[in-house]
Amino acid sequence: GAGVSQSPSNKVTEKGKDVELRCDPISGHTALYWYRQSLGQGLEFLIYFQGNSAPDKSGLPSDRFSAERTGGSVSTLTIQRTQQEDSAVYLCASSLVAYGSYNEQFFGPGTRLTVL
Amino acid sequence: AQKITQTQPGMFVQEKEAVTLDCTYDTSDQSYGLFWYKQPSSGEMIFLIYQGSYDEQNATEGRYSLNFQKARKSANLVISASQLGDSAMYFCAMREVTGANNLFFGTGTRLTVIP
Repeated sequence: GAGVSQSPSNKVTEKGKDVELRCDPISGHTALYWYRQSLGQGLEFLIYFQGNSAPDKSGLPSDRFSAERTGGSVSTLTIQRTQQEDSAVYLCASSLVAYGSYNEQFFGPGTRLTVL
Repeated sequence: AQKITQTQPGMFVQEKEAVTLDCTYDTSDQSYGLFWYKQPSSGEMIFLIYQGSYDEQNATEGRYSLNFQKARKSANLVISASQLGDSAMYFCAMREVTGANNLFFGTGTRLTVIP
């Protein structure tokens, strides 16, 4: 079956522009996560969605970052007025449920964002 | 405080030898899960192995095993019979049952397998 897909795979933008990154989770997965991986670093949690519940936005670094998930499936991460420090790989993951300690998250290939 | 600590930025191992990648964690939860992911140069995150905090046996998956020492809060990954394809970044991660449902990741260890 299809895994998690993300688009675009690469995005180059100019400082100050807005960008939208898309994530299509595995069909049937109710939980969806966004992470950011800066060069040479581990993954930093940004936001997660579980079903129709309000998203957990506790990891968003500033109010320039927002995300939505339409119809419990596809998610879009929006970064407004991009800054050079936003340059990173943005990874999306999905899992069947978000409860319990075992929660294998399946990751997409990521979107590499470069802000010039 | 860091939730996950990986103290080895880089490791080298001879092909066919075993290698241990260190991971310590910090949590006050009684119920949590520990994960290891592999990230090759292509960038995808590949799930390797899982250990639940209540599991009494160390997890094993093929050539991967997790050396879980709960009292020391360590969850080291052991790769046996290393192969050239094992060269990658390895991340230890933890999920706490309480609080946010995300994974907390360490900074990773870059493993290089030498032929």
